[in-house]
Amino acid sequence: SQQGEEDPQALSIQEGENATMNCSYKTSINNLQWYRQNSGRGLVHLILIRSNEREKHSGRLRVTLDTSKKSSSLLITASRAADTASYFCVILTGANSKLTFGKGITLSVRP
Amino acid sequence: SQTIHQWPATLVQPVGSPLSLECTVEGTSNPNLYWYRQAAGRGLQLLFYSVGIGQISSEVPQNLSASRPQDRQFILSSKKLLLSDSGFYLCAWEPRADTQYFGPGTRLTVL
Repeated sequence: SQQGEEDPQALSIQEGENATMNCSYKTSINNLQWYRQNSGRGLVHLILIRSNEREKHSGRLRVTLDTSKKSSSLLITASRAADTASYFCVILTGANSKLTFGKGITLSVRP
Repeated sequence: SQTIHQWPATLVQPVGSPLSLECTVEGTSNPNLYWYRQAAGRGLQLLFYSVGIGQISSEVPQNLSASRPQDRQFILSSKKLLLSDSGFYLCAWEPRADTQYFGPGTRLTVL
């Protein structure tokens, strides 16, 4: 399957805590991306990490990539209620491959 | 800057009725365009993509069709809706071959 598989399916944390979401895949990749979807809205691209990168930061987001384990993690530090959303991991396996979205992780941040 | 529009935002249609959803992109030319469907509790399913006017590729055979009459316009249609067509329809455009930007979506309920 050319699809990232997110784990856990659902995560509930207290505001201010860190949220860690994982993604595993089975093929070699060009890059891995994380998207966020607020309830009833379109998806928003958060961050892209290429296969030759190990870690990337964007604001409160930190993404790691371990190609030997075929896994990635998205860390949201100091979470806020507004971070409540579904998060999708997407892998790109080749230059002309299509983005394939999984079921996502439902993150709930309690105020 | 680029903007992507979708309408209508919500739609309730009876089984057997026709469908037309529209997506337009502003601020770019010759984008790759995509239609996805997201059923309740599931990931995104790629329905159609287009790399240019009149060029449509179908990912999933079904009673839906897509057309691209203008460079920045992408239309999703059906002649006769089924109950299983209910879902959240998302249009996306792709400025380069690895990141997509999504519209706000159309919530379709078929009764």
